[in-house]
Amino acid sequence: GESVGLHLPTLSVQEGDNSIINCAYSNSASDYFIWYKQESGKGPQFIIDIRSNMDKRQGQRVTVLLNKTVKHLSLQIAATQPGDSAVYFCAEPPTSGTYKYIFGTGTRLKVLA
Amino acid sequence: EAGVTQSPTHLIKTRGQQATLRCSPISGHTSVYWYQQALGLGLQFLLWYDEGEERNRGNFPPRFSGRQFPNYSSELNVNALEPEDSALYLCASSLAGTYQETQYFGPGTRLLVL
Repeated sequence: GESVGLHLPTLSVQEGDNSIINCAYSNSASDYFIWYKQESGKGPQFIIDIRSNMDKRQGQRVTVLLNKTVKHLSLQIAATQPGDSAVYFCAEPPTSGTYKYIFGTGTRLKVLA
Repeated sequence: EAGVTQSPTHLIKTRGQQATLRCSPISGHTSVYWYQQALGLGLQFLLWYDEGEERNRGNFPPRFSGRQFPNYSSELNVNALEPEDSALYLCASSLAGTYQETQYFGPGTRLLVL
């Protein structure tokens, strides 16, 4: 896998508001995407995934939207809670014939009380 | 079912020493991945092992090496440690390193090089 070693952008959201975290991908052949949540000092945790035959997938308080036309993913968190504070990043598992797992840079979500 | 486990949780070394980090994948997973995550930064891919073989390697010097054992557990070795090697080292596993496989991460080993 690859990722860009940049300092993370930060999204600050008031508790109770909805959060939207965005991710752009570059490989038009990618057809499966994952969102991970990483709390401070911990390993990333799987949140939700989506396959390219879907535009939208909902989980518990989370929704992932996929726009294949512009190669864009978004993660929406409803009624953001303090426990949602973490770094969120998208990932593209290998497509057929490739062996690269690609991670987005990540976005730090700060929930304000 | 147990998740990915890593040991030790923390490791403190001095410049020039060698570090060995260990990872046990989820039962049934044959692929193991290693990542370096410096403080505040994204994941940097280090190594990928599958079925005991090194499948891919990131842009790291040769002093970063590893291996995968017959039981699919893995070691990451870092020789001639430098302070800039200080980071959280994450291990992930997947069923196989192929199409549409989800990686599941361990808690990481935090390495500090003084």
